[in-house]
Amino acid sequence: DTGVSQNPRHKITKRGQNVTFRCDPISEHNRLYWYRQTLGQGPEFLTYFQNEAQLEKSRLLSDRFSAERPKGSFSTLEIQRTEQGDSAMYLCASSLGGAARGTEAFFGQGTRLTVV
Amino acid sequence: QKEVEQDPGPLSVPEGAIVSLNCTYSNSAFQYFMWYRQYSRKGPELLMYTYSSGNKEDGRFTAQVDKSSKYISLFIRDSQPSDSATYLCAMSPYNNNDMRFGAGTRLTVKP
Repeated sequence: DTGVSQNPRHKITKRGQNVTFRCDPISEHNRLYWYRQTLGQGPEFLTYFQNEAQLEKSRLLSDRFSAERPKGSFSTLEIQRTEQGDSAMYLCASSLGGAARGTEAFFGQGTRLTVV
Repeated sequence: QKEVEQDPGPLSVPEGAIVSLNCTYSNSAFQYFMWYRQYSRKGPELLMYTYSSGNKEDGRFTAQVDKSSKYISLFIRDSQPSDSATYLCAMSPYNNNDMRFGAGTRLTVKP
């Protein structure tokens, strides 16, 4: 399968615990995005990477959230000291971008986080 | 006011009907307009991608962008039960990948 892959698909954690999600983008895509989606809402932008550089971060991304893309391939999103309000679907997307390209992003299946 | 407004529906139509889905937006910097389809508990799937104003057709789907009115539409002809899903509009400024999504319209096509 050459699509965007996210693991795990589901995660249940206790409040206060740390969690980490992984995203493997489409292999030739240099841009990688993280979004969060709650029930009945559209995805909200969290952060984006071009290669290994994190170029934008939303104000939604509190200090408890950190994302990395160490070698410009896969990415991880870590949430520290989880809160019940962190329960959501975390979506990863990737695209092939350049100076004159816009956004044609392809999403993975998401990681559904439940904080109890 | 949200940057992107989309009627959440739900919208229910009989099989074979023409479906019209719409979004309005407030940010005149948006240049790229997308429609995604999302089935329950799945990630969004890209349907249509349009740059600036105009129409784009792909099979039964037609996307329209009217930047002067800040209004975009997706038309689905000969709708099928398999089209039942949530449809999300999304848009972003030039060379900026911070896509802003509508809340999604939930569509049901009844056989």
